[in-house]
Amino acid sequence: AQKITQTQPGMFVQEKEAVTLDCTYDTSDPSYGLFWYKQPSSGEMIFLIYQGSYDQQNATEGRYSLNFQKARKSANLVISASQLGDSAMYFCAGSGYALNFGKGTSLLVTP
Amino acid sequence: DAGVIQSPRHEVTEMGQEVTLRCKPISGHNSLFWYRQTMMRGLELLIYFNNNVPIDDSGMPEDRFSAKMPNASFSTLKIQPSEPRDSAVYFCASIQQGGRGMNTEAFFGQGTRLTVV
Repeated sequence: AQKITQTQPGMFVQEKEAVTLDCTYDTSDPSYGLFWYKQPSSGEMIFLIYQGSYDQQNATEGRYSLNFQKARKSANLVISASQLGDSAMYFCAGSGYALNFGKGTSLLVTP
Repeated sequence: DAGVIQSPRHEVTEMGQEVTLRCKPISGHNSLFWYRQTMMRGLELLIYFNNNVPIDDSGMPEDRFSAKMPNASFSTLKIQPSEPRDSAVYFCASIQQGGRGMNTEAFFGQGTRLTVV
């Protein structure tokens, strides 16, 4: 199973600034996917972005982009132009047949 | 589609009682997962079904936990007898998997918050 590591328990960012949330993974499988989910205080799990191991370009979805560095085994999430509503827990997950989640990073966006 | 539907949303029960959590996956999805979320252990995969068949239940904590998927539109997670340490949020997720591994997002239900007193 793929191991996912998120080393930042908590992060602060000022509104309208960009923030990077770190994620490293460890797998011997040549084919895998990496996912980011957002969990606001209401508790639901919201899919943000996906990167496949064979994708040539970094994934982007609106204000979210994934900085995928295969050699470093990292898949960092970049949120541009942070908004107050971005305050939440963010989970990185790696896939085999199921998602293995990291411990998460709590992001607080301040005015 | 209404998404993945879980019931109940909240459950409070006394230690020793049987608890049944329910999940209706998205129509057409062939894989279903049960996860448990706690502060201490994060999100843990409990069991994975593919085409209604349990493929991996190595994450099920102990014999008190059991899961079934009698058809493609319904799954249950049962805890009998329940203990205070089972208190957690239980998520069900579904996906349409094709080929090898996951290349599209898993859709999560709203979760069931279980409290065992």
